Amino acid sequence: KAGVTQTPRYLIKTRGQQVTLSCSPISGHRSVSWYQQTPGQGLQFLFEYFSETQRNKGNFPGRFSGRQFSNSRSEMNVSTLELGDSALYLCASSSSGGDTGELFFGEGSRLTVL
Amino acid sequence: GENVEQHPSTLSVQEGDSAVIKCTYSDSASNYFPWYKQELGKGPQLIIDIRSNVGEKKDQRIAVTLNKTAKHFSLHITETQPEDSAVYFCAAREPGGKLIFGQGTELSVKP
Repeated sequence: KAGVTQTPRYLIKTRGQQVTLSCSPISGHRSVSWYQQTPGQGLQFLFEYFSETQRNKGNFPGRFSGRQFSNSRSEMNVSTLELGDSALYLCASSSSGGDTGELFFGEGSRLTVL
Repeated sequence: GENVEQHPSTLSVQEGDSAVIKCTYSDSASNYFPWYKQELGKGPQLIIDIRSNVGEKKDQRIAVTLNKTAKHFSLHITETQPEDSAVYFCAAREPGGKLIFGQGTELSVKP
């Protein structure tokens, strides 16, 4: 069974640009969550999608957005990039989310903003 | 919302010693507490979890304890090995499903 796939793995952008990251969950998983990982801050929750609907949202500005498609694949977008957006963005899928679903993480997309 | 504090941020032990990582959470309604291990260049992977109706759970060299009254839970690794070197994250799941992580502990096991 293929794991969670994130693309691209690495990317470099400049301030003010926008970026779109993609996540393909494990087959059959309907929940996709996104996290931002930075040194010292751990994993900070961005949002969770289940069956194309945003089910939970973290405390990030509106520049961070996401969506989920009917095949459960998800994208997140960051507009008007700032230096502080440099981070590893992790996607995780689970079969149901909610109170019982184990999260399976991808290897992340490392974004560098110059 | 939920807030999870994790200590220590770094931990160095000799091979064969035990390692303990502690976390506290703020929302008494949180009901699920997993621990994830992240190796270099990889995404976090679940190693053990505990639900709020259980006080302790063991899986070979790894154990987790939960004190609901004090709102803290701990990861215990016995007989540490070099391959245990990684970053460990605790987390707490809010009733609404959001999984909130601690800041991480970088464990180094010296041979």
